[in-house]
Amino acid sequence: AQKITQTQPGMFVQEKEAVTLDCTYDTSDQSYGLFWYKQPSSGEMIFLIYQGSYDEQNATEGRYSLNFQKARKSANLVISASQLGDSAMYFCAMRERTQGGSEKLVFGKGTKLTVNP
Amino acid sequence: DTGVSQDPRHKITKRGQNVTFRCDPISEHNRLYWYRQTLGQGPEFLTYFQNEAQLEKSRLLSDRFSAERPKGSFSTLEIQRTEQGDSAMYLCASSDGTGGRGYGYTFGSGTRLTVV
Repeated sequence: AQKITQTQPGMFVQEKEAVTLDCTYDTSDQSYGLFWYKQPSSGEMIFLIYQGSYDEQNATEGRYSLNFQKARKSANLVISASQLGDSAMYFCAMRERTQGGSEKLVFGKGTKLTVNP
Repeated sequence: DTGVSQDPRHKITKRGQNVTFRCDPISEHNRLYWYRQTLGQGPEFLTYFQNEAQLEKSRLLSDRFSAERPKGSFSTLEIQRTEQGDSAMYLCASSDGTGGRGYGYTFGSGTRLTVV
């Protein structure tokens, strides 16, 4: 079963408008973390925002905010005032414990965001 | 702090050849991860090192794959007898495991492997 689901393969937004990228997750752990990364065509994974499962307030980082709804197991990324440079792939990921006691990131399939001028 | 460096950025190889990739993590990070990303997918975990010890290996890491991290510094990922299915982006990440912004994970720019 998928642990991170991103249901939007592609999204379009007009420059200067806000956009929401959806992410739902599945875990039975009480302690976990959720990340959003941006991956431009160059390939690097750029950290955007992090939300811990015990954080009571939604995380914000500049134009990025995370709409965390724990009961619904959703962690949507909101980008305000979109810019042309925001066009990229966006990945939601969850930090989870491995059987060996370490941890790893589990990623969704991503959403391709295109910002139109 | 120059971030996580990966070398080479691109590699084209013929099927059956061996290839080796290198990752230089952030110097004070004791944790190092390798991920593989195929076209249209998110990265998938391959293996994890804490210092020089390889503590976790995914079932994706077949016998043809081997990873090392001598002295707990840089790491290498070798693929023997490459197959076309090995074509992917290989990403390295490091962290200090202490939390903080982004929980300390920093990714490199990746090595894009094409097997022809």
